[in-house]
Amino acid sequence: GAVVSQHPSWVICKSGTSVKIECRSLDFQATTMFWYRQFPKQSLMLMATSNEGSKATYEQGVEKDKFLINHASLTLSTLTVTSAHPEDSSFYICSARALAGSTDTQYFGPGTRLTVL
Amino acid sequence: GDSVTQMEGPVTLSEEAFLTINCTYTATGYPSLFWYVQYPGEGLQLLLKATKADDKGSNKGFEATYRKETTSFHLEKGSVQVSDSAVYFCALRGMNNAGNMLTFGGGTRLMVKP
Repeated sequence: GAVVSQHPSWVICKSGTSVKIECRSLDFQATTMFWYRQFPKQSLMLMATSNEGSKATYEQGVEKDKFLINHASLTLSTLTVTSAHPEDSSFYICSARALAGSTDTQYFGPGTRLTVL
Repeated sequence: GDSVTQMEGPVTLSEEAFLTINCTYTATGYPSLFWYVQYPGEGLQLLLKATKADDKGSNKGFEATYRKETTSFHLEKGSVQVSDSAVYFCALRGMNNAGNMLTFGGGTRLMVKP
């Protein structure tokens, strides 16, 4: 089946630094990738939708200048948390959708746990 | 807008008990419906899905039937195992979004005791 990887799986950083999280579709090309945030014991909240070669579409309330998303290729999207603060600590999950004409299922990465000290 | 409501957990069952996790949705038209499972420390995995009314999705002994008349997609399993302990998310993909985004319910934690 389709596999989506994320790197790193966990990261601890100091307040004020920036952290980049990578999301890769390993065996399929993804025209669309999604970034979610999950708080402890809560559901996933969609942060943004990323289409290859174009700007990401952010959900209401998500700061685009703080959460920079780049989808430079059909297999890679990155989320950069800029000037991270403790309130940004969370579990970030990406998902990828295969090209049109293929399955319409989103495949999820294993998630990245970010802890900001 | 689209929304998904599922029963709050945690749900605690003994091994071999019958499981039902309720899920209802609000959406225009005919959304596709999904159940995802999240094991401790891992990302979400698709458990099953149904794309049209009266479809039944099934996988690993779990089943859910797309009920248009009651806007429901309840998850069931006849005999749970300890290894089924996880958080289960009901989700829908609406018709009116070009980005194919999913809308998730709040998740239901299942704990199965030996």
